[in-house]
Amino acid sequence: DQQVKQNSPSLSVQEGRISILNCDYTNSMFDYFLWYKKYPAEGPTFLISISSIKDKNEDGRFTVFLNKSAKHLSLHIVPSQPGDSAVYFCAASVSGSARQLTFGSGTQLTVLP
Amino acid sequence: EAEVAQSPRYKITEKSQAVAFWCDPISGHATLYWYRQILGQGPELLVQFQDESVVDDSQLPKDRFSAERLKGVDSTLKIQPAELGDSAMYLCASSPRAISNEKLFFGSGTQLSVL
Repeated sequence: DQQVKQNSPSLSVQEGRISILNCDYTNSMFDYFLWYKKYPAEGPTFLISISSIKDKNEDGRFTVFLNKSAKHLSLHIVPSQPGDSAVYFCAASVSGSARQLTFGSGTQLTVLP
Repeated sequence: EAEVAQSPRYKITEKSQAVAFWCDPISGHATLYWYRQILGQGPELLVQFQDESVVDDSQLPKDRFSAERLKGVDSTLKIQPAELGDSAMYLCASSPRAISNEKLFFGSGTQLSVL
């Protein structure tokens, strides 16, 4: 039973345009969400996070939106750059839980020059 | 910037053999995690340590997998015997403390191929 779902395995966008990556979750106890980026043969690196008390968090070109009622979050990258090409994982956790992060299956983003 | 160190980067073994992976977390990080990532899937938690104690190993296949963090610093994950389905990337991560709003720092992983 996947508690965190990324239904799009891949996404291609043109350089300079907006990339929108989506993530859905089923566990209503999740209250903290993170996005990680992963290049081939490397470990995931933290990108941006959001707490359930907020509905938006920005960091430079990256913005995460959270819709708690729909149990949906999205990552917007504007403008997209070729160096953004990587696998993006959505992850979620429950405050106070010993088990840390539950990951989605990832979305391969390709930014075309 | 401090990093989580893992070795080896790649390991090829035959089924029924024993393999071991090593992880050295960022200095001062009390919490250490081992994740397994199968191609096309997200990382899945195998075991979590707080200092030298296991906090969560509910997803660790204990008939063949073992993990230890004897001095509360570096850690070893062992598989014996390895099976074909164990082929995956094994990721180690650390964080200063085990609270949910704290990001994890991942190592580069060990890519295991079982033939």
